[in-house]
Amino acid sequence: GAGVSQSPSNKVTEKGKDVELRCDPISGHTALYWYRQSLGQGLEFLIYFQGNSAPDKSGLPSDRFSAERTGGSVSTLTIQRTQQEDSAVYLCAGAGTSNTGELFFGEGSRLTVL
Amino acid sequence: GENVEQHPSTLSVQEGDSAVIKCTYSDSASNYFPWYKQELGKRPQLIIDIRSNVGEKKDQRIAVTLNKTAKHFSLHITETQPEDSAVYFCAAEDSGTYKYIFGTGTRLKVLA
Repeated sequence: GAGVSQSPSNKVTEKGKDVELRCDPISGHTALYWYRQSLGQGLEFLIYFQGNSAPDKSGLPSDRFSAERTGGSVSTLTIQRTQQEDSAVYLCAGAGTSNTGELFFGEGSRLTVL
Repeated sequence: GENVEQHPSTLSVQEGDSAVIKCTYSDSASNYFPWYKQELGKRPQLIIDIRSNVGEKKDQRIAVTLNKTAKHFSLHITETQPEDSAVYFCAAEDSGTYKYIFGTGTRLKVLA
């Protein structure tokens, strides 16, 4: 596609429910990142995928968070048993084969946990 | 791992004045430092970047300087305009991991 697509754009859920956030990166981008942006905060690294390599999960805040990337393209971030502190904007970004270079961000998925 | 600190958190300048945002990083092996601009309700977008083999880079009204010895880099915006109002993030690549560690952002307000 022309850009990075994320869905849903907004998600309101009740505490304890599971949520799935989807990212569809730019075709050909082998690197894919998930970041979390809490209100007034910076961009917190969550997880990084590169091609067929094992993902770097070092930023996931707890075992309630997981992500997968199927076929080197679409990625899903899953949050189980959501808590109020999970409320944030979840941003997906892709990058080309050079690794060190521009990140192309999606518009984000705003998650609100009541 | 890499740690990036960014100052100030908010910055207000009069239209036409200059704005400077500063960042420090911890990993002396880092070699790539991008700056992103995020307008209200929009996605972050790259505005300029610098690699460790140069000390300064300019693109029209924006410039970035890098001091590897001191492990800090700065964004300079000259002749600010209202459309420069946004949140600016610095970042550094966590060397060898391809992770980009971001600062906490600077909200720039350009007053007309």
